[in-house]
Amino acid sequence: AQRVTQPEKLLSVFKGAPVELKCNYSYSGSPELFWYVQYSRQRLQLLLRHISRESIKGFTADLNKGETSFHLKKPFAQEEDSAMYYCALSGNSNTGKLIFGQGTTLQVKP
Amino acid sequence: EPEVTQTPSHQVTQMGQEVILRCVPISNHLYFYWYRQILGQKVEFLVSFYNNEISEKSEIFDDQFSVERPDGSNFTLKIRSTKLEDSAMYFCASSESTGVGNTIYFGEGSWLTVV
Repeated sequence: AQRVTQPEKLLSVFKGAPVELKCNYSYSGSPELFWYVQYSRQRLQLLLRHISRESIKGFTADLNKGETSFHLKKPFAQEEDSAMYYCALSGNSNTGKLIFGQGTTLQVKP
Repeated sequence: EPEVTQTPSHQVTQMGQEVILRCVPISNHLYFYWYRQILGQKVEFLVSFYNNEISEKSEIFDDQFSVERPDGSNFTLKIRSTKLEDSAMYFCASSESTGVGNTIYFGEGSWLTVV
């Protein structure tokens, strides 16, 4: 079964602290993994994807196929990072369907 | 930057009524989607649409639901005979293509409350 799991509903850190938002997936093939972010009262927007291997707004995520994980990391959290973060998976269906995790609210305190 | 737009942003309807949620995808996109998010739950895929046909639908997308592209710009989701459990945020999305490297762009959502 295709599934994305984000174990933490809420992650609260102080500004400047490191952040790791956990994501594990279950998929039999070779999925493409994404992180989407939703800032307060805004739309879901793509933050990064595993194939790009890039850093966006200081965030990085590495696909670990052995652990079936795609954790999102940032070394120094900023208050403006406070948002809802969703890990998502796209399989091989060629229909563009995304499977989302439950989402994690990141709260960065001053 | 082009955006997916949705109307209405919020609709309250009585149980049993029909609802149409409207979306204008990004103009050069060919693939269209509806997702929904019940309060406190995950974003769930409902349906994908390409070339005037449904290309994939989830178990949630039963006979109560239908999608249509009535003209060259709009993409609609119709919910017949709404139920209380249809109360959710409905997101429209679109993409240029599918497959590796594709980006799906989301609208701001239409919040449906069934009373």
